[in-house]
Amino acid sequence: GEDVEQSLFLSVREGDSSVINCTYTDSSSTYLYWYKQEPGAGLQLLTYIFSNMDMKQDQRLTVLLNKKDKHLSLRIADTQTGDSAIYFCAASQGGKLIFGQGTELSVKP
Amino acid sequence: GAVVSQHPSWVICKSGTSVKIECRSLDFQATTMFWYRQFPKQSLMLMATSNEGSKATYEQGVEKDKFLINHASLTLSTLTVTSAHPEDSSFYICSATHAASGSGETQYFGPGTRLLVL
Repeated sequence: GEDVEQSLFLSVREGDSSVINCTYTDSSSTYLYWYKQEPGAGLQLLTYIFSNMDMKQDQRLTVLLNKKDKHLSLRIADTQTGDSAIYFCAASQGGKLIFGQGTELSVKP
Repeated sequence: GAVVSQHPSWVICKSGTSVKIECRSLDFQATTMFWYRQFPKQSLMLMATSNEGSKATYEQGVEKDKFLINHASLTLSTLTVTSAHPEDSSFYICSATHAASGSGETQYFGPGTRLLVL
């Protein structure tokens, strides 16, 4: 089955760019997602990319997909303290979502 | 659009009692609803998938008699934790898919319900 891996922690300075990486194993995943979770809250959909796309940009967010290497990344430009949260990568498989462990992003002023 | 609510947001109950959690899609009809459980500092664990009017499909290791799921309409699913014990204490999150969204598989999540069993 699908396995999704993420690094656990990332620390950046306010104003810098953040890049959160994710790898997955099942090349048949049709959609790949990024969700944000703040403490004590549910998951907020940030963006998703269809598997036949290489890149998707939405304001400060840029998603890059390398299908050959099964690697997905989320770049947050001009990172703010309000971006501090846990970011989950997820891959679609058979109508379900397979989640990574989550990357805790810490933004220092 | 695609707003999902949960009620209650938190609940404390005594061991042995049952607790019902509601999940509603507020501005869309949900094709499918999902129930997850999340432990502190961990990822989401899928418990079950439900479609309106049919029995829920439970993931391996999830006791269906313990976690009763009812999906009575296209906008409401309920999870009842029966005879709750302290080990059932957790953060329960639901999600729903929206057939009219750009991706029919995209899941929109509720805010979660924190359950504490004493």
